Amino acid sequence: DAKTTQPTSMDCAEGRAANLPCNHSTISGNEYVYWYRQIHSQGPQYIIHGLKNNETNEMASLIITEDRKSSTLILPHATLRDTAVYYCIVYNNDMRFGAGTRLTVKP
Amino acid sequence: GAVVSQHPSRVICKSGTSVKIECRSLDFQATTMFWYRQFPKQSLMLMATSNEGSKATYEQGVEKDKFLINHASLTLSTLTVTSAHPEDSSFYICSATYRGELLFGSGTQLSVL
Repeated sequence: DAKTTQPTSMDCAEGRAANLPCNHSTISGNEYVYWYRQIHSQGPQYIIHGLKNNETNEMASLIITEDRKSSTLILPHATLRDTAVYYCIVYNNDMRFGAGTRLTVKP
Repeated sequence: GAVVSQHPSRVICKSGTSVKIECRSLDFQATTMFWYRQFPKQSLMLMATSNEGSKATYEQGVEKDKFLINHASLTLSTLTVTSAHPEDSSFYICSATYRGELLFGSGTQLSVL
């Protein structure tokens, strides 16, 4: 019963920005938006999280709409190693994963 | 730094045997740990929430007598798959919360023959 909707797959050219959208229209006021990614047969890797303000760290930027019903993860300069499944998660006491977006970065 | 360590990374066992998977929080204490299962090409599915010193909370459809969880200390939670069958073959992952971030172990690939 994941509370998010993401595209099944996306492609991105190496060196370009990858913009991954996520819809979370039923998010409540105290729930955070988290992004993780998973490379095959490994544990998920934390990327970034936010509540209502945009966030940036060394890996990515997170843009959350004013109504908080959607967000976008931005990888500013995608590399081949960014190929992975990206999960957008609404976090409230436990973390449930949706299907995620399979991002393929192509040379 | 804070890390979640999971062992073993891979285990192969015969049908009917039991397998124990350990999940340790390194450099931090974890009151709560989460156990997930992932089948090939599928997402992670939350199986149970492990609470230190109390009984685990299982998700609907997860058999508590088959997947025994013990969280006896603030740094260790174990998942025991009892009387394993081939359909239990899967990737099992544990996680714990550290400063607002959910840290994941590297996972255990269980293959039941």
